[in-house]
Amino acid sequence: EAQVTQNPRYLITVTGKKLTVTCSQNMNHEYMSWYRQDPGLGLRQIYYSMNVEVTDKGDVPEGYKVSRKEKRNFPLILESPSPNQTSLYFCASSLRGQGRETQYFGPGTRLLVL
Amino acid sequence: AQTVTQSQPEMSVQEAETVTLSCTYDTSESNYYLFWYKQPPSRQMILVIRQEAYKQQNATENRFSVNFQKAAKSFSLKISDSQLGDTAMYFCAFRSPNFGNEKLTFGTGTRLTIIP
Repeated sequence: EAQVTQNPRYLITVTGKKLTVTCSQNMNHEYMSWYRQDPGLGLRQIYYSMNVEVTDKGDVPEGYKVSRKEKRNFPLILESPSPNQTSLYFCASSLRGQGRETQYFGPGTRLLVL
Repeated sequence: AQTVTQSQPEMSVQEAETVTLSCTYDTSESNYYLFWYKQPPSRQMILVIRQEAYKQQNATENRFSVNFQKAAKSFSLKISDSQLGDTAMYFCAFRSPNFGNEKLTFGTGTRLTIIP
């Protein structure tokens, strides 16, 4: 089954404790992206990757890091989480096609930083 | 930069009725893609319908159809014969056909409730 998986689905942590949210897709997609969803703001892009070893900042990259060492995986790293990073996070992937390709979303990771 | 505006934070409608969700966007590009995503209580993002800006014909998917007005930069979603399972948050999204970042720019969403 074609899918995007994220782990963990729910996470409660404390300020300053490094964490990683994993994202994996089995569709051989070149393009992957992370979004965060906050009430009243919709979804905003954090980082994206056009292919292995090619990553760049989105609209709200502060406090986050990513890596793309393998095509299927695109982890999101919070080196020192803060309460303002409490949010719902989505990983998404698609083929590269100048915007025409459907973007598939993972199930979301709900993060609470105390 | 592109912006997407959904001016209806919440809507409700009786089951079996028709409802229209509004979306406007701002862009200087002539070719682009527009989407409606549904987010049920499970929080999963589900693609409902898509529209290519170069196509004049409005997209349709079963009970879901759009009214795409390119000159007015308007992209509304019509849900016919609404069902209880349509209760969800609905997001309008824009995607630019560039060779780099193919990100989706989302509106703030409309929470739709179908009343039995």
